[in-house]
Amino acid sequence: VQLVQSGPDVKKFGASVKVSCKASGYAFTNYGFSWVRQAPGQGLEWIGWISAYNGYTYYAQKFQDRVSMTTDTSTTTAYMELRSLKSDDTAVYYCARDLGSLSHSSYLDYWGQGYLVTVSS
Amino acid sequence: DLQMTQSPSILSASVGDNVTITCRASQSVTILLAWYQQKPGKAPKLLIYRASNLEIGVPSRFSGSGSGTEFTLAISSLQPDDFATYYCQQYNTYPYTFGQGTKVEI
Repeated sequence: VQLVQSGPDVKKFGASVKVSCKASGYAFTNYGFSWVRQAPGQGLEWIGWISAYNGYTYYAQKFQDRVSMTTDTSTTTAYMELRSLKSDDTAVYYCARDLGSLSHSSYLDYWGQGYLVTVSS
Repeated sequence: DLQMTQSPSILSASVGDNVTITCRASQSVTILLAWYQQKPGKAPKLLIYRASNLEIGVPSRFSGSGSGTEFTLAISSLQPDDFATYYCQQYNTYPYTFGQGTKVEI
């Protein structure tokens, strides 16, 4: 199992970022993806989940109005887009394989290497 | 949001020590709790799921216990590779939340 993320990236305040997570080594649609971020020197924060089977999503309310998660089964890639970036969005963004595949998220057994997004003014 | 509180925040230990980290939830998460290990500059690694199930490939010196609101991660005979930060995560109630982390240092 491998999850490979692109990056790093520097974005302007107010811009958007789309992070990709290329999955390999397993049956893509049997799992979901969670996205987790970690600000510099801080702990882990769960952003949301998407089922790679049916596209169901759940977003943490904090991000609900500016995040979108999608998957592309043809390329076995998951995406997370975060809009209207602010300085406190500066963080490493991780994708993780989620054992929740149908209707809800679960625990995370494989993680991507992380994607550093720096938001500057 | 459901709060997860870990203690201690920093744990000083030596190779060979037995150590315990506690994670308390602000409301019951049943047994839907996972533990992760993170080393500097690296992604977290799953150690324990469903409170007490050891992930495949994780050394048996790691063990988890608890249910409801109180959980424990125990490491017996601490090895040099175990010095890291440990996080608990509940996956019972949205939004899923992590503890603030426990740094195990020499």
